[in-house]
Amino acid sequence: DTAVSQTPKYLVTQMGNDKSIKCEQNLGHDTMYWYKQDSKKFLKIMFSYNNKELIINETVPNRFSPKSPDKAHLNLHINSLELGDSAVYFCASSQDVNMPNTEAFFGQGTRLTVV
Amino acid sequence: LAKTTQPISMDSYEGQEVNITCSHNNIATNDYITWYQQFPSQGPRFIIQGYKTKVTNEVASLFIPADRKSSTLSLPRVSLSDTAVYYCLVGARTGSARQLTFGSGTQLTVLP
Repeated sequence: DTAVSQTPKYLVTQMGNDKSIKCEQNLGHDTMYWYKQDSKKFLKIMFSYNNKELIINETVPNRFSPKSPDKAHLNLHINSLELGDSAVYFCASSQDVNMPNTEAFFGQGTRLTVV
Repeated sequence: LAKTTQPISMDSYEGQEVNITCSHNNIATNDYITWYQQFPSQGPRFIIQGYKTKVTNEVASLFIPADRKSSTLSLPRVSLSDTAVYYCLVGARTGSARQLTFGSGTQLTVLP
């Protein structure tokens, strides 16, 4: 039973399209995250949601928008896709982002390729 | 924000002990130090976490000096399957929120 699951695993799309990546966690965690990992393996946080409120928003383009219908889901919507958006996107969750010893659980990643 | 610095890569041979050091000069008083392991085409996986001194589990040991400005992940008797990227992570506070910030990671390659 997967703790953090994201779909699709692979996504190939053309420039200018709008796409979504879904994420669900069954751990009962309060906080969910989206990370972007580029070709150089740098893992950068994009967003985090705590109890349905956006608490961190890194300097990502406003073409990216997180949507959280409930505590167990945090979907990532991307509008007007660009070549530079190609990367692996990871969803993660943790129990409470404000607890010092929080541990994050990651999904398997979504490899987005923009052509 | 707490920033971490790790070596970009390390090579080792099977059966050896590997030590990976991470610098985090701006660590906050309440922050813990966490290490993650990432295999290709997978998400990062928690391996160990500590606050001070030494922590040991079935996978690794974590050594943290008194000033907490650095930490060392120790992998005993590595095998080929330990080849992965290892990330040092220190929670950082942004206002009332915490940001889980990953360092650049260390690519560990275990050779036969």
